Amino acid sequence: SAVISQKPSRDICQRGTSLTIQCQVDSQVTMMFWYRQQPGQSLTLIATANQGSEATYESGFVIDKFPISRPNLTFSTLTVSNMSPEDSSIYLCSVEDRQGATDTQYFGPGTRLTVL
Amino acid sequence: QKEVEQNSGPLSVPEGAIASLNCTYSDRGSQSFFWYRQYSGKSPELIMSIYSNGDKEDGRFTAQLNKASQYVSLLIRDSQPSDSATYLCAVTNQGGKLIFGQGTELSVKP
Repeated sequence: SAVISQKPSRDICQRGTSLTIQCQVDSQVTMMFWYRQQPGQSLTLIATANQGSEATYESGFVIDKFPISRPNLTFSTLTVSNMSPEDSSIYLCSVEDRQGATDTQYFGPGTRLTVL
Repeated sequence: QKEVEQNSGPLSVPEGAIASLNCTYSDRGSQSFFWYRQYSGKSPELIMSIYSNGDKEDGRFTAQLNKASQYVSLLIRDSQPSDSATYLCAVTNQGGKLIFGQGTELSVKP
């Protein structure tokens, strides 16, 4: 499977500021996704990062709050804008790898964000 | 009704025992089913995938799928303390999205 890295691994930010998280993959992938995992919770899909076009956001997530870029097939960024303490979460990128006839998602190491 | 449901646990088993983790899903058209393991402070890692009814074995892990009952399970034989983690069931729904359950925390006691 692809090797996925994320930067930063963790950060502590002040409310009202923004943080951009980077996701780098060691091979070209078609599908990249961004998830949020709030403390003690499971994973929630924020959006699908589409190469060359606007991201597709899930219900409850908007572009103004979580702008996403996907300039090529190996890289994506997620920005958490105008942060509040409720944004404190782990943010994970994932990529989809086709194995036979089935697509499987693999996750990066995550970015642990704390908003004060 | 949640799309994917798991017992939140914690599930505690003694070392060497069989741990049984269960998951039900609501979308009858789901085709792909996954088990991820997540250690505290780490990201989820894939341990098993299953697509057809029946059992699939990989080392100490066995995934079981029953599409008629909309039920998928994970058995861990000869449980080890290193198996202590949260196990996430994930299902690809008809829209192609991967939906996660809330996870079951497993604790294997030496």
